[in-house]
Parts: sequence; C-alpha cells; structure tokens
Amino acid sequence: GAVVSQHPSRVICKSGTSVKIECRSLDFQATTMFWYRQFPKQSLMLMATSNEGSKATYEQGVEKDKFLINHASLTLSTLTVTSAHPEDSSFYICSAFAAEPISNSPLHFGNGTRLTVT
Amino acid sequence: AQSVTQLDSQVPVFEEAPVELRCNYSSSVSVYLFWYVQYPNQGLQLLLKYLSGSTLVKGINGFEAEFNKSQTSFHLRKPSVHISDTAEYFCAVSEKGAQKLVFGQGTRLTINP
Repeated sequence: GAVVSQHPSRVICKSGTSVKIECRSLDFQATTMFWYRQFPKQSLMLMATSNEGSKATYEQGVEKDKFLINHASLTLSTLTVTSAHPEDSSFYICSAFAAEPISNSPLHFGNGTRLTVT
Repeated sequence: AQSVTQLDSQVPVFEEAPVELRCNYSSSVSVYLFWYVQYPNQGLQLLLKYLSGSTLVKGINGFEAEFNKSQTSFHLRKPSVHISDTAEYFCAVSEKGAQKLVFGQGTRLTINP
C-alpha cells in the first residue's frame, strides 16, 4: 500500500529557531501534498496545498512567510516553521495525493510531527 | 464551501456494545465523504469512503456508514466495539473531483471494559 513518511516524528526547539519537517511519498508520485495543523483535542486545519514545481497555496490566516513550503520533487515536500514561537507548538500532518488510487484511497497521510517550542 | 459537524465530541461505550458516531455536512455541490481514525500521536487512517453508488458503505475494522443525502448525514456505526477501537474519529468531506478535505471536529471514542 501507499506509504507517506513524515520526519521527524517529534522535535523540540528553542524559541526563535527554525524547524524543517519533511513529507515523502515512498512508493508513488505525489503531484499535490497538503499540510495540516492539529491543536490538542481539535480537528485538522488545512494550512496549505503544495504543488510540485510551483508555489504553495496558503489558506486564509496562514502566514506564508512563517510557514515556508517547498515541493521540489514528486516525492518530497517540506514545511519549515521559521522563527518558531511557543504558540507554534502543535501537531503537523502532511498528506499526499496519489494520481492513481492506491489501497482504496487517493489521499495518504503521514504519521505527523509533534513540534514543541520552548 | 463545505463544512462538517460532528455532533458528539466524546462517546463512551462499553466493550461489545454498538456505537454510532454522528456526522452532518453542508455543501452546495456534490461531495465525497470519508471517515478517518487517528490513534494517539499518529496520522490518519482511512476507515471508509462514499464516492457514489450504494449509500451503505462498509469499511475496515467492522465499521460501516450510511450516506443520507436528504439529511446530509454520514453516520458511522459498528455493531460491537472492542477496546482497540479507542481512538479519535474524523468525518471529512471533499467536493467531488477535488483533493482538498475539510474535517469535522472529531469524536473521541472511549471503550470501557
């Protein structure tokens, strides 16, 4: 079945530093990847849509200069949280869209990254 | 635009009892509907989906859901739950043909022995 690998699974960083999260589709090409943010005991909120070779599309209220998204290849998208602050602490989840339906779902999720900013 | 409402934030049930997790959606266009399960500190796993055809959809782990267009609902059911079903469940909707999902608030299912 389709696998989306997200790395790291957990990261703790100091306020003011930047953190990069990787999302890889391991056995399929993903022309589109999505980045979600999930606060404790809340739902997933779409942050941005990442398309290979073009600029990401950000949802309303998401600062594109703070959450930098790069989708340089068909198997890798990265989210960089720049100058992180404690309020950026959250669970970040990526998902990748497979053009061909694999294992009954065209959208496959990574296991998430728990970011804690101290 | 689409929206999803999960009517119960928490549902406690006893092991081997039946359960229903409610989901209502709003959309001005035709939609696809999904149920996902999330275990602690993990991503989402697809339980089942409705794209078209039969309104009763069967998924993994013994779950099923019924699409009711007139009531704009897509409730998730399981006739007999297990301890291992303890998790967060999310209902989601997408516009037909679109890739972007809109999630409900989630329902925490807790199974008591």
